[in-house]
Amino acid sequence: QKEVEQNSGPLSVPEGAIASLNCTYSDRGSQSFFWYRQYSGKSPELIMFIYSNGDKEDGRFTAQLNKASQYVSLLIRDSQPSDSATYLCAVSLSGGSYIPTFGRGTSLIVHP
Amino acid sequence: DTAVSQTPKYLVTQMGNDKSIKCEQNLGHDTMYWYKQDSKKFLKIMFSYNNKELIINETVPNRFSPKSPDKAHLNLHINSLELGDSAVYFCASSQDQGWAQYFGPGTRLLVL
Repeated sequence: QKEVEQNSGPLSVPEGAIASLNCTYSDRGSQSFFWYRQYSGKSPELIMFIYSNGDKEDGRFTAQLNKASQYVSLLIRDSQPSDSATYLCAVSLSGGSYIPTFGRGTSLIVHP
Repeated sequence: DTAVSQTPKYLVTQMGNDKSIKCEQNLGHDTMYWYKQDSKKFLKIMFSYNNKELIINETVPNRFSPKSPDKAHLNLHINSLELGDSAVYFCASSQDQGWAQYFGPGTRLLVL
């Protein structure tokens, strides 16, 4: 069964620190990788997407993809209390219909 | 200018009733999705339509029937509601299959 795994957390970091969120996936044919942020009671919101091996930076966020090791990570630099949320990793799997699969999410708490 | 909208936002109903949830996107996207997020916050794909054609139909009871009258709309009808159907249902859209998804605000369904 195709799976996307995340540590449920909570991951607790002090304000100003780097938060590192990790995700592994089982299908080597996976092609597209996404990070979403979901505040409590709200809908998921796209933060980053990455398709190629390596790093992709957008402001305080960096997505890292390693297809050989089948993991994707999200780094949040200079973490703020407003970054406290659940972060969902999503992977579009191979097989023609690009079935999107979400991990169960990692809860991040940034404390002042 | 809401990109993906859903109605209603809240739905409280009795077991055995039939209800519908509507979704509309004004992003010009070709692909639309329905997700169910349970009490443990796991986001699971239910259906996906691409250009009004059903492309993903996961293991969902046939009491759930999606309908896409046009590319901008994807509705979900649920027959004979059960207690286990209580969840948050999210509609989402993407430019094409496998691309980044944009979520609606969710419909919170409570079956009594």
